[in-house]
Amino acid sequence: EAQVTQNPRYLITVTGKKLTVTCSQNMNHEYMSWYRQDPGLGLRQIYYSMNVEVTDKGDVPEGYKVSRKEKRNFPLILESPSPNQTSLYFCASSFRGAGGLDTQYFGPGTRLTVL
Amino acid sequence: GQNIDQPTEMTATEGAIVQINCTYQTSGFNGLFWYQQHAGEAPTFLSYNVLDGLEEKGRFSSFLSRSKGYSYLLLKELQMKDSASYLCAVRDRRGANNLFFGTGTRLTVIP
Repeated sequence: EAQVTQNPRYLITVTGKKLTVTCSQNMNHEYMSWYRQDPGLGLRQIYYSMNVEVTDKGDVPEGYKVSRKEKRNFPLILESPSPNQTSLYFCASSFRGAGGLDTQYFGPGTRLTVL
Repeated sequence: GQNIDQPTEMTATEGAIVQINCTYQTSGFNGLFWYQQHAGEAPTFLSYNVLDGLEEKGRFSSFLSRSKGYSYLLLKELQMKDSASYLCAVRDRRGANNLFFGTGTRLTVIP
């Protein structure tokens, strides 16, 4: 089954404790992205990657790191989490199809709480 | 910068038609997307417009006017399961994957 998986789905942690949220897709997509979703602010892109070893900042990259060493994986790293990073995080993958259409396939989301 | 506006909430009756508007101001434009998101779930793709005009897909249609920075999503024959948030997103010219989302419109369908 074609899918994007994220782990963990729920995480409660404390300020300053490094964490990684994994994201994996089995559709051989070139493009992958991370978003955070907050009430009243909508989905905001954190980082995106256009292929292996190619990443770029989205709208809100501060406090986050990413890597793309393999096509299928795109982990999100919070080196020193802070309470303002409490949010719902989505990973997405896509490929550029005909006419420029690149449908984003979203993972199930990771709800992160930083105390 | 990017600015994408959509109404926060809308209510419509089962069986009716509803139009959800989206206006945008972006530094570049390279396509507009509509996504549906049920509460507690991930967004799912509904439609894509890159040229002016109407794209129809079953009960759902999406319209784009690039000169006006305007799009709408039209939902016909509303069903209770259409109660969800509808997200408008614009891809700017910078990259293949640089999407900016509006805050979403929460649609409630009532009997």
